[in-house]
Amino acid sequence: GENVEQHPSTLSVQEGDSAVIKCTYSDSASNYFPWYKQELGKGPQLIIDIRSNVGEKKDQRIAVTLNKTAKHFSLHITETQPEDSAVYFCAADESGGSYIPTFGRGTSLIVHP
Amino acid sequence: NAGVTQTPKFQVLKTGQSMTLQCAQDMNHNSMYWYRQDPGMGLRLIYYSASEGTTDKGEVPNGYNVSRLNKREFSLRLESAAPSQTSVYFCASTGASGNTIYFGEGSWLTVV
Repeated sequence: GENVEQHPSTLSVQEGDSAVIKCTYSDSASNYFPWYKQELGKGPQLIIDIRSNVGEKKDQRIAVTLNKTAKHFSLHITETQPEDSAVYFCAADESGGSYIPTFGRGTSLIVHP
Repeated sequence: NAGVTQTPKFQVLKTGQSMTLQCAQDMNHNSMYWYRQDPGMGLRLIYYSASEGTTDKGEVPNGYNVSRLNKREFSLRLESAAPSQTSVYFCASTGASGNTIYFGEGSWLTVV
């Protein structure tokens, strides 16, 4: 089955700095890679995703890059703000049959004002 | 639009007691899931239901049972609670057309 490794487990940055969270996956059949943000006391919420036919995708201050050859993908947050503080999860799925993504263990991002 | 609603939000159980976590979604989604979240372990799938009338085990099904009551509702039952089941439980759902998983707000369960 798929195995997703996520690093770092904790990331502390100053407001305005950039933050990068990296994930690797094991199953070369995986072709869909979503990122979820979980605010304190809430359920995770999808913030951006990328499919295997695309190398990079941007949405305002967040971007995701994918390297299928190396089997890794990353979340980039620029100009971080205190409201970006949350736990971020990456996931990977092969999008065939039932949709059952494998999640990474999460990264706790802390943005200091 | 309520999305995914799960109850209760907080529960304390004694070892050996049973309880059911309820979940309902109003988005007409086919697939529903139950996850547990533990510190440093991420989101682990307990059970899922790809469609009404079907259920399958996930990564950590031991000690749990589920019922897909109808298309809207998917319940998770702990028959004999153990301290190892102390966790935050999330119900989730997804539609047939996309991959976005919508999560509920979570249920905090403590077994003493």
